[in-house]
Amino acid sequence: GAVVSQHPSRVICKSGTSVKIECRSLDFQATTMFWYRQFPKKSLMLMATSNEGSKATYEQGVEKDKFLINHASLTLSTLTVTSAHPEDSSFYICSASAASSYEQYFGPGTRLTVT
Amino acid sequence: QKEVEQDPGPLSVPEGAIVSLNCTYSNSAFQYFMWYRQYSRKGPELLMYTYSSGNKEDGRFTAQVDKSSKYISLFIRDSQPSDSATYLCAMSAVTGRRALTFGSGTRLQVQP
Repeated sequence: GAVVSQHPSRVICKSGTSVKIECRSLDFQATTMFWYRQFPKKSLMLMATSNEGSKATYEQGVEKDKFLINHASLTLSTLTVTSAHPEDSSFYICSASAASSYEQYFGPGTRLTVT
Repeated sequence: QKEVEQDPGPLSVPEGAIVSLNCTYSNSAFQYFMWYRQYSRKGPELLMYTYSSGNKEDGRFTAQVDKSSKYISLFIRDSQPSDSATYLCAMSAVTGRRALTFGSGTRLQVQP
């Protein structure tokens, strides 16, 4: 299957700082990438959908100015958590999908801890 | 009512058993159906992908979709301890953003 990587796998940051998470599709061109958040023992919550070269579409209740998403190329999307607070601590997972495909391939996730 | 309902488990079975995992859904627009396996602290791994109704088999895994009943299943034959994980069903409509709607996940434990 297709391979998606995420970096970093885990990060600890202080409250008020910003953190950038990268999501890369390694062996296919991802026209669409998705960002999810997952709380312990819960399912995935879609945060936003991004298409290469376009602005991201955010789900209701997700703050656009807090969670900045950039999808500048067909293999890279970034999520920046700005002015992080402890309540932003979570497991963030990206997925990628090729053109005209409904299959999504997930990255390994990034565990963010804000102290 | 949630769009996708899935029993959270845990489901505990002995090694070698046949496992049946199920989801029901309410949105008749869903046409694409997927099953993911997620190990603790890892990203979900795509196991099976089906379009519309029917069966699909891949090794020990069989996916079934019954659109008339809005019911999908994943069967695992000859279950192994390494199959112990959380299984998530996911589905998508043909039109729109291609975003997936996930079930809450079923935790499976295969006892050696």
